[in-house]
Amino acid sequence: GAGVSQSPRYKVAKRGQDVALRCDPISGHVSLFWYQQALGQGPEFLTYFQNEAQLDKSGLPSDRFFAERPEGSVSTLKIQRTQQEDSAVYLCASSAWTVGEAFFGQGTRLTVV
Amino acid sequence: KNEVEQSPQNLTAQEGEFITINCSYSVGISALHWLQQHPGGGIVSLFMLSSGKKKHGRLIATINIQEKHSSLHITASHPRDSAVYICAVNRDSNYKLTFGKGTLLTVNP
Repeated sequence: GAGVSQSPRYKVAKRGQDVALRCDPISGHVSLFWYQQALGQGPEFLTYFQNEAQLDKSGLPSDRFFAERPEGSVSTLKIQRTQQEDSAVYLCASSAWTVGEAFFGQGTRLTVV
Repeated sequence: KNEVEQSPQNLTAQEGEFITINCSYSVGISALHWLQQHPGGGIVSLFMLSSGKKKHGRLIATINIQEKHSSLHITASHPRDSAVYICAVNRDSNYKLTFGKGTLLTVNP
């Protein structure tokens, strides 16, 4: 596609609800990243995929967070039993190489009430 | 202490002014990125550099590897330049980006 696409743009979830956030990276990009950005802060790394392989999930804050990229293209970040502290913007980025220019999506703003 | 520090945190300028945003880092890096984020919007990559200087339109980015410092300059600033500018680094050859907290730039007409 023309750019990295994320959906939904906004999500309001009740505490305890499960949510799924989608990222459609640029076609052919090997690397895909998920970042979490709290209000007024810089993004923080969550997880990294190289094609379909999840090589690093060290930034996932708890076992309620799960990400997958089963066919090496579209990725889904799932948060189970959402908590208020999960409220943030979730950014997806893709890159043609492991270390290269990163192309970001518009982000999904998650608000847990 | 954060590994990537930006200054200033907030910057207000008049249209036409020359603007400089600074980024210092304390770790070895393989690349440094300058990114732009508009309110409510996604992040746009402005520059990726590992040495020297790059220029794109009114934007110039420089990096001094020995001093572990980078600057982003905007010439002839315009209100549409108002955004958060974020410095981020790839530590050594690591794929992860480590971000600064950003500089909020407001350019008044």
